[in-house]
Amino acid sequence: GAGVSQSPRYKVTKRGQDVALRCDPISGHVSLYWYRQALGQGPEFLTYFNYEAQQDKSGLPNDRFSAERPEGSISTLTIQRTEQRDSAMYRCASSLRTGQQPQHFGDGTRLSIL
Amino acid sequence: GQQLNQSPQSMFIQEGEDVSMNCTSSSIFNTWLWYKQDPGEGPVLLIALYKAGELTSNGRLTAQFGITRKDSFLNISASIPSDVGIYFCAGQLRLNTDKLIFGTGTRLQVFP
Repeated sequence: GAGVSQSPRYKVTKRGQDVALRCDPISGHVSLYWYRQALGQGPEFLTYFNYEAQQDKSGLPNDRFSAERPEGSISTLTIQRTEQRDSAMYRCASSLRTGQQPQHFGDGTRLSIL
Repeated sequence: GQQLNQSPQSMFIQEGEDVSMNCTSSSIFNTWLWYKQDPGEGPVLLIALYKAGELTSNGRLTAQFGITRKDSFLNISASIPSDVGIYFCAGQLRLNTDKLIFGTGTRLQVFP
């Protein structure tokens, strides 16, 4: 597609459930990034990939969060045993090459944990 | 998580006025970026700065990478209604990672 595509746009789930958020980067983009954005705040880095390799996962809050990009294209961010504090906008971005700007952002998945 | 200090937090100006906002950090950054975010959308890159002291323009926007590498500013001249939105600075901390640290944002409102 023309831009970074994320699905679902909205996800509401009960506390304790697992959720999987999907990101489809711009075709041909090597690098893929996951961010979390709380209301009124800037995006907060979670993790990023070059091709299928996870390069930096220092921003993942705890071991309930994981991400994969098995074929170097689509990526999935999984949150296990969700908690209310996980509620936020989750944004994906991609860039053509490692370290190359810009990072193109998707419209995000709004996650609400009840 | 770590965020850069951005000021002012919000600005309310009249159309035609110039705007200035800045971003500071206690850490040295290798790259400074300025993004704009419209409601319901992801941030969009406005300007990228790669060298200390660099001054770069993009239309009515001008940004500078501070000499100390710990700060950056963004100026918008002759503001127009479509400048409304949230402006974020972002920095790349080290050369061996693509990790970006974002600022807390400046919300700009332009009145006709």
